[in-house]
Parts: sequence; structure tokens; C-alpha cells
Amino acid sequence: DAKTTQPTSMDCAEGRAANLPCNHSTISGNEYVYWYRQIHSQGPQYIIHGLKNNETNEMASLIITEDRKSSTLILPHATLRDTAVYYCIVAFGGKLIFGQGTELSVKP
Amino acid sequence: NAGVMQNPRHLVRRRGQEARLRCSPMKGHSHVYWYRQLPEEGLKFMVYLQKENIIDESGMPKERFSAEFPKEGPSILRIQQVVRGDSAAYFCASSHSGGSNTGELFFGEGSRLTVL
Repeated sequence: DAKTTQPTSMDCAEGRAANLPCNHSTISGNEYVYWYRQIHSQGPQYIIHGLKNNETNEMASLIITEDRKSSTLILPHATLRDTAVYYCIVAFGGKLIFGQGTELSVKP
Repeated sequence: NAGVMQNPRHLVRRRGQEARLRCSPMKGHSHVYWYRQLPEEGLKFMVYLQKENIIDESGMPKERFSAEFPKEGPSILRIQQVVRGDSAAYFCASSHSGGSNTGELFFGEGSRLTVL
């Protein structure tokens, strides 16, 4: 079973920042936080991951709380093409277990 | 650098037939993962393989399903005597390392199996 909790769905206005929360209160000290997304039945796409520190790449930023029990994925300027299901996953090596994710709808 | 290649993209089988799904990982990747996605459901882990070894098959159904990743050639997910409930999208992913930091998994576009 997935060890994360995410809202089922969220809306975001095009051009605004999308902030997707994730709770992982039982995360272990050596587990990483991963974010993936799946656009309309395509193969899932890696977005970003982190352990303790906040991370940023060309796609998004990942903010991890100091106690590591929750995190937020930030898409700084959402576009219509960011409409997808976003998955937050905690894992240490090997397989990734996907939960139900958050269905993000970016609206014009 | 080609991505993860899966074929066939679409496969139709009648009940009782066999389905073989192939996955060629990204160049230099030696770790392969198979996931299944039933219609309107999430991704379910099936099996994790390294070259010639099954590392974790905790998500594989006990019967009719098997997977291999030979020293040469693609990884194969084999489903014998398919039933309608096997209709799903089957995704393969590969990674460079499968150690403590799994890192980025690269997914293929999936193989969609329809059982009539």
C-alpha cells in the first residue's frame, strides 16, 4: 500500500503556480520522496525527488518540511499541458508504489 | 538516446491465448520494472528484474504470469491463458541503478492488451 496521502483532485488557473501537497507521516529516515505524473494514460514521467533538502529543476520545485512528514510539489507557471495525475511516492531503492495521486486540472 | 521501447503497443487476444509483451530498456540500464494499470485505476507494481535475475515479484499474480530479463535481448512479460480481467495497460520502466536511491525511472508508453 502507498504510504502517502494526496488530495484526489485540484484545479489551477493557467499561468499561476500549482502547489500539490503530500503527506507521508510514516516516512523512514532513508526513504526519498519522488514525484511523477501521468498525462492521459501515457507512460508516467519523472518530475523530481529529494531526501531532506528542497530541490528545484527545470520542471518543478520540491519543498520538504523539516520533519519530513509532508512535502509540496510546486509547478511555478502551470500550463494546460500540465493537466495530469500527479503521484507522490516515498521509497528506498527498488520498486516504486504508486497511490491514487492528485488529478490536477489546469484551466484557461 | 532512445527511450524505453515497448512492443507491441496494442495487442488483442482471445481468452485462453498467450500474450507476450516486450520491453527494451534505455541504453545502459540494467534494471527493469513492470507495472499494470487497469482501466480507470492506478499503476500497480508487478515485478522488478535485473539482468537474468528476478529481484522482487511480489506484485505478480501467482499463476499464468511470468517475466524474464535475459542477458541479451528485451525483457518479456508473458501471460498465459489470458482472461478478460487481464485487459489493461502494461508499463515497463528502466533505471540505471536499483540501489538505495532508485532515482529516476524512465517509463515506456505502455502495451495495451485487450482480451476478447
